[in-house]
This record gives sequence, C-alpha cells and structure tokens, in this order.
Amino acid sequence: KNEVEQSPQNLTAQEGEFITINCSYSVGISALHWLQQHPGGGIVSLFMLSSGKKKHGRLIATINIQEKHSSLHITASHPRDSAVYICAVRNNNAGNMLTFGGGTRLMVKP
Amino acid sequence: DAMVIQNPRYQVTQFGKPVTLSCSQTLNHNVMYWYQQKSSQAPKLLFHYYDKDFNNEADTPDNFQSRRPNTSFCFLDIRSPGLGDAAMYLCATSRRGAYEQYFGPGTRLTVT
Repeated sequence: KNEVEQSPQNLTAQEGEFITINCSYSVGISALHWLQQHPGGGIVSLFMLSSGKKKHGRLIATINIQEKHSSLHITASHPRDSAVYICAVRNNNAGNMLTFGGGTRLMVKP
Repeated sequence: DAMVIQNPRYQVTQFGKPVTLSCSQTLNHNVMYWYQQKSSQAPKLLFHYYDKDFNNEADTPDNFQSRRPNTSFCFLDIRSPGLGDAAMYLCATSRRGAYEQYFGPGTRLTVT
C-alpha cells in the first residue's frame, strides 16, 4: 500500500463545478503540500499545511491530522484549472523528504 | 523575481553520450533537490544537498552524479544515458527544515 494515496486518479468536470480531491496518508508527517503540474510543465506549489485550512483565491486546502487526511477544493472551476494535482507529505520517516501521491488528473471542460 | 531556473528546458542526447542538466536559484536556499519524473508517474527523488552535504537516495543509479559548486548552482550529470533515462528532471529548493519546496520548470530529456 502506498504511503500517500490520492483519489480520484482522474476527474472530469464541467466549468463552474465545485471540485474536491482527496489525499490520505499513513505516515507521520510534519507538513503536507498540494502541488499543481500542467501538461509538460514544472510543478507549482499551491499550499503547505500542517493544520487547519488555507485559502488562496478559488482554492481551499484542509487537513485533518487525526484522520491523516487532506482535501483540495476548487470552487467555480475553469478550464485553466486542468492539470495534475499532487499531494506530497513531509515524511518523518524519510528525513523530512517529500513522499508523493500518485496525482489526480483533472480536466475541466468548457 | 526570485526563482528556480533550469537550463535547458529540452535536451536531446544520444544513447551513451554524457549530458549535464543545470539548475540555479536566486532564493538563497540551502537545500537543493533533483527529481526524476517519468511519464504519468510521481517525481522520484534522486539526491539532495544540505548546503554542500550531498545525500544520495539508495536506489539512485550510479550513472547519475551531481555537483553543487556554490549555493546558487546545482548540476545533474548523467554519465551514460540509456533509453530508460528519458524523463522530466525537476530541480527544487527549500530552506532547511519543514519548509515549502520551490520547483523549477524542469528539463525534459530525450535519449535517442
């Protein structure tokens, strides 16, 4: 079983829909990152969380440390949100290196 | 703007011909990372530096080497690229500790 699991693996939505991507992890962590990667592109860091909730524009990230679960929400989705969203945790068992989830491929149709 | 820069963005090399990828940063971060990302897979950490201290992941092939001549620059050398080394190579930086990582745009390596 992977230490970081994301769901769904693939997601197609219509423009304007509310989107939720989930991340569950099984290791002790010091922080959790949500990353965005456009096709053929580099990675952009969206959020780093160690507790609670963060909001940036239409993006909201939450984390529940007790349940070892985080969610990334996109409100009023837009085709330009189409990308791979990656959950990565700072793994206490790996010298605080990042352990990555498998990514969620999001396509938002106009 | 402070950033992580990778050159070139696209690199084509021949099977067995050494290639060097470069990364520079203006963030003055003391930790630099090299990741390999193959198609539809998560990034895989190859090695990282805490300042000049080099840390190699256990499963990083010997074919891959790295140099960090100063705080700003880090190089990835692939001594004898094989077809299986074709991938996106991502450089990232962070401050030491549980801080955010900043990624470069990546270099896509093709091996012919």
